[in-house]
Amino acid sequence: DVKVTQSSRYLVKRTGEKVFLECVQDMDHENMFWYRQDPGLGLRLIYFSYDVKMKEKGDIPEGYSVSREKKERFSLILESASTNQTSMYLCASSSRTMRDTDDTDTQYFGPGTRLTVL
Amino acid sequence: AQSVTQLGSHVSVSEGALVLLRCNYSSSVPPYLFWYVQYPNQGLQLLLKYTSAATLVKGINGFEAEFKKSETSFHLTKPSAHMSDAAEYFCAVTRISGGYQKVTFGTGTKLQVIP
Repeated sequence: DVKVTQSSRYLVKRTGEKVFLECVQDMDHENMFWYRQDPGLGLRLIYFSYDVKMKEKGDIPEGYSVSREKKERFSLILESASTNQTSMYLCASSSRTMRDTDDTDTQYFGPGTRLTVL
Repeated sequence: AQSVTQLGSHVSVSEGALVLLRCNYSSSVPPYLFWYVQYPNQGLQLLLKYTSAATLVKGINGFEAEFKKSETSFHLTKPSAHMSDAAEYFCAVTRISGGYQKVTFGTGTKLQVIP
């Protein structure tokens, strides 16, 4: 079974703090993703990575950065947390390269981190 | 741009009744379509996916979905609802953006099953 783990289930931070969300997958997947989930908005892609040290902006990258130093680990960084970043953050991974457009990448999700910024 | 629209943010059915969750997509090319389920306090997991091999796709837990190109729909059904089906369901479509294949998710439909 694919397992995607996230470092925390619940996190409370203060405005202006630097926040690190960690994600680890154990299936040697090339692709990793960070989404945020908000009621009524579904999942929105923040950043993704298709290889070590590679990253691409998603639909809402502002206020976030990412790091992928090892294949199995993808970190989301909030440089200076703000209250509008209070949300559920979901990490996912998939097994094929994004450039292979005939693939139908199934994404495997972690349990999520519910972040509250006060 | 590819997108999906889920009709109804909340759906309630009685236990044993038919489940029908609606999803319409917009796509300029034949899409790949997915249904994911999210149980309370968990991440999403794949229910089923359409990859153009067959228009009727069977998934886990008795769910199935039919791809109808003429209606641009990919509705999710289950003949008889169980209490354990209470969850949030997301329809998703693949899209090409910036040379990369990405997935766009719908806004979700919460299914309530009434005993």
